[in-house]
Amino acid sequence: DAGVTQSPTHLIKTRGQQVTLRCSPKSGHDTVSWYQQALGQGPQFIFQYYEEEERQRGNFPDRFSGHQFPNYSSELNVNALLLGDSALYLCASGGVFRGLETQYFGPGTRLLVL
Amino acid sequence: SQQGEEDPQALSIQEGENATMNCSYKTSINNLQWYRQNSGRGLVHLILIRSNEREKHSGRLRVTLDTSKKSSSLLITASRAADTASYFCATGRLYTGANSKLTFGKGITLSVRP
Repeated sequence: DAGVTQSPTHLIKTRGQQVTLRCSPKSGHDTVSWYQQALGQGPQFIFQYYEEEERQRGNFPDRFSGHQFPNYSSELNVNALLLGDSALYLCASGGVFRGLETQYFGPGTRLLVL
Repeated sequence: SQQGEEDPQALSIQEGENATMNCSYKTSINNLQWYRQNSGRGLVHLILIRSNEREKHSGRLRVTLDTSKKSSSLLITASRAADTASYFCATGRLYTGANSKLTFGKGITLSVRP
């Protein structure tokens, strides 16, 4: 049973560029949440997708957008990259339908903006 | 903003000793979860305790929750060098049609000396 997977593992971009990160949830899970973790900090909630809709959103600008596909996988898009967007981006999956409160995290994508 | 505040920020103990980590939070919650993170990689879920529970055990882990004091503690007994990692508490709030939105603290760095 595969856990949460994310791609790519590392990414280097320059300011102003756009980036897309991908996440496949754990088998049987139907929600995907995205978190940003700056160095030395705890993860911060970006948004959550369920049934292909954004259900909740944290305090992140509209430059951060996402999508969930019918197979429950998800993408995180960040436009007009800033140096401050450099962070570890974590995806977590859970199961609303099955009442699964526990969220399981993927290994993350480390983004460096130069 | 980060709701959970872990204490202490760093902890160094000898292998075989017990490690106690504390977490305080500010608003009402549905559950509280503890995670471990090794060297900036993905988060590993350790244990979840619901707001109507007071204590839970899982192997060498014991977590308590005091909702009146808005605090939780994680006890790792008989620590091992492999327990060296960062530990985060995350408070969860459930929303209709969505999974818990997790709010993390800044984490505790645990070092277990062989």
